Amino acid sequence: EAQVTQNPRYLITVTGKKLTVTCSQNMNHEYMSWYRQDPGLGLRQIYYSMNVEVTDKGDVPEGYKVSRKEKRNFPLILESPSPNQTSLYFCASRYGQSYGYTFGSGTRLTVV
Amino acid sequence: DAKTTQPPSMDCAEGRAANLPCNHSTISGNEYVYWYRQIHSQGPQYIIHGLKNNETNEMASLIITEDRKSSTLILPHATLRDTAVYYCIVRVNTNAGKSTFGDGTTLTVKP
Repeated sequence: EAQVTQNPRYLITVTGKKLTVTCSQNMNHEYMSWYRQDPGLGLRQIYYSMNVEVTDKGDVPEGYKVSRKEKRNFPLILESPSPNQTSLYFCASRYGQSYGYTFGSGTRLTVV
Repeated sequence: DAKTTQPPSMDCAEGRAANLPCNHSTISGNEYVYWYRQIHSQGPQYIIHGLKNNETNEMASLIITEDRKSSTLILPHATLRDTAVYYCIVRVNTNAGKSTFGDGTTLTVKP
């Protein structure tokens, strides 16, 4: 089944403890992206990638890192998480420029 | 990317057509209109997109006005499962991966 898989689905962590949220797609998509969703603020783009080793900042990149070493994977790294990064995170991918995104099921992160 | 304006909420009777409007008066000539929906806290789902011609697929139809300053997403026979937040986005297809979501319209389909 064609899909975007994020792990974990739920995560509770403490302030300052580095974490990685993984994202993998099995559709050979070129473009991948990370979003966060917060009540009242909607979906905001964190980072996106146009291909392997090509990434760029979205609207809210502060406090996050990404890497794209392989086409199928696009992990989101929080080097030193803080409570304001508590959010629902979505990974997405799309085949090319004129296609819509396919989204993963989301990762609900709580930083205490 | 151009900004979009959508009504915050709409109701629709089950079985009737749901017509969701979107205003994008500052749209540029090379910007496409995309529609997504999000059911509860699931990942958003791509529905349809278009440039200037009307488009139809198995999920919905997209009507874009001639001046391209607004569009309407039509769900021809709404069901309870169509209750969701619907997002209208405009973006340039050459603009890499960047896609900005607004507040969307919460569509409630009622029995």
